Amino acid sequence: GAVVSQHPSRVICKSGTSVKIECRSLDFQATTMFWYRQFPKQSLMLMATSNEGSKATYEQGVEKDKFLINHASLTLSTLTVTSAHPEDSSFYICSARGLNYGYTFGSGTRLTVV
Amino acid sequence: TQLLEQSPQFLSIQEGENLTVYCNSSSVFSSLQWYRQEPGEGPVLLVTVVTGGEVKKLKRLTFQFGDARKDSSLHITAAQPGDTGLYLCAGGSNYKLTFGKGTLLTVNP
Repeated sequence: GAVVSQHPSRVICKSGTSVKIECRSLDFQATTMFWYRQFPKQSLMLMATSNEGSKATYEQGVEKDKFLINHASLTLSTLTVTSAHPEDSSFYICSARGLNYGYTFGSGTRLTVV
Repeated sequence: TQLLEQSPQFLSIQEGENLTVYCNSSSVFSSLQWYRQEPGEGPVLLVTVVTGGEVKKLKRLTFQFGDARKDSSLHITAAQPGDTGLYLCAGGSNYKLTFGKGTLLTVNP
């Protein structure tokens, strides 16, 4: 079956620094990738949608300059949290979709900003 | 904006009891998916329903898609502690998934 690998699984960074999270589709080409944010015991909130080779489409209220998304190839998308602050601490999850492949989720990244 | 209302938000039951989780929307979805998520992990797909009135069974779990494809339910028979987790419904369109708020289920031994 389709597999999506997300790294790192956990990261702790200092306030003001940037953090990059990678999402890779291992056995299929992901034409579209999605990035979600999840707070404890709550549902997933879609942050942005990215299609390979084009700019990401951000949901209302999500800061484009803070959450940089790159989808340079059909198997890799990255989310960079720039100038991270404690309120950015959260669980970030990616999902990938390809031709004949439905939504497949990564295992998530726990970001803690101290 | 398509919204999915999921209820109940929290549910704590004893082992052996039955339960039903509901997912409702005013919008029509091309498909509806149910996921289960454990803490610190990504959601895992349980089932996808696409046809109005469709019923799917997965062991002790029964999933139903409403005739109008606006609502769905998940029924668990004889719940076990291993069923504990966050259950999420998600409606599919041509370009993205819309998630409900989730139901946090705790099954006590």
